[in-house]
Amino acid sequence: KNEVEQSPQNLTAQEGEFITINCSYSVGISALHWLQQHPGGGIVSLFMLSSGKKKHGRLIATINIQEKHSSLHITASHPRDSAVYICAAQETSGSRLTFGEGTQLTVNP
Amino acid sequence: NAGVTQTPKFQVLKTGQSMTLQCAQDMNHEYMSWYRQDPGMGLRLIHYSVGAGITDQGEVPNGYNVSRSTTEDFPLRLLSAAPSQTSVYFCASSYRLGVTYEQYFGPGTRLTVT
Repeated sequence: KNEVEQSPQNLTAQEGEFITINCSYSVGISALHWLQQHPGGGIVSLFMLSSGKKKHGRLIATINIQEKHSSLHITASHPRDSAVYICAAQETSGSRLTFGEGTQLTVNP
Repeated sequence: NAGVTQTPKFQVLKTGQSMTLQCAQDMNHEYMSWYRQDPGMGLRLIHYSVGAGITDQGEVPNGYNVSRSTTEDFPLRLLSAAPSQTSVYFCASSYRLGVTYEQYFGPGTRLTVT
């Protein structure tokens, strides 16, 4: 069993739909990261969470430390949101990250 | 700032050849890491560094060497390339922000070993 598991692996949505990607982890963490990897391969950091909820534009990330679970939500999805979304658990003792396998999101017009 | 830069973008090697993947950052970040990304698997840590002169092994270090002589540069050396090292390699740098570490990734190097 992976230490960080994401679901679903693949997600296809119609433009405008509300999207949720889930991440569960089994290790103790100091933070949970959400990353976005574009079709060209570049990876950018979307959120770092150690508790609660963060919002940036149409993206919302939440974390429940007790349940070891985090979600990434996209409201009013758009084709430009099509990408791989990756969650990563940051270990409690330092900067090392353990990554989930990623969720491939495709948003159709 | 250029951020995190990696060279080359693409490389094809024959089995047994050696090469160095270059990584540089101009943000004065203490922490730098090398990851490999393979289909069906998450990014896996190869080696990392918490500062100049300090390196440590990650999850999959075999067949790779690193050094960190300056804060800016963190090259990854493949000693004797094998087909199992065909992958996309990402370098990342980070800095501490409270209990979290803000991550910056390079554009990646796609390596094929034949």
